[in-house]
Amino acid sequence: QVTLKESGPALVKPTQTLTLTCTFSGFSLSTPQMRVAWIRQPPGKALEWLARIDWDDDKFYITSLETRLTISKDTSKNQVVLTMTNMDPVDTATYYCVRLASGYFDYWGQGTLVTVSS
Amino acid sequence: EIVMTQSPATLPVSPGERATLSCRASQSVSSNLAWYQQKPGQAPRLLIYGASTRATGIPARFSGSGSGTEFTLTISSLQSDDFAVYYCQRYNSWPYTFGQGTKLEIK
Repeated sequence: QVTLKESGPALVKPTQTLTLTCTFSGFSLSTPQMRVAWIRQPPGKALEWLARIDWDDDKFYITSLETRLTISKDTSKNQVVLTMTNMDPVDTATYYCVRLASGYFDYWGQGTLVTVSS
Repeated sequence: EIVMTQSPATLPVSPGERATLSCRASQSVSSNLAWYQQKPGQAPRLLIYGASTRATGIPARFSGSGSGTEFTLTISSLQSDDFAVYYCQRYNSWPYTFGQGTKLEIK
């Protein structure tokens, strides 16, 4: 049974760095072809993928946020961490951790709402 | 970057009727197209991948069709549980972008 769960602060101040952790079970990121991504969704808006990390440690970022994002994995802990620097109110969103299967997102975490406000 | 356009933005349909949702890609994505359902306060759920293959546990009233640039999600005989927002997503090449969604609402 595959599960993913996001954890991190619910509230961050502008200019601060956000660190989100995805803890998953039911698969291993050391298995070939396994990939995990982060997707966010501002309130009332559409989905936007942010970053992806592959079993071989390849990493991909959305171009518009590339300078602010870092994704990493700890295979021994079954965790993926996303950091986003210089947070702004427009970054207020629900952040999802998801598993990729051949390109589509087959398992999703429940999401964590992050509000950016002073 | 390939842009995914969904139409209509909102679709009012009566329970028991058929709903047809469209997704158009600005360039061919072959059959690398997925559909998701999102209910308020919940994470999206995978419905369809490969343009027409239902994901595990998805009822047969959901069907997907199309290839290239034009795709359709059809929900036959709408049930109350089906009123939600639906997103398409391409995955022919990275980045795997989403459409803006179609909100299926009760007429």
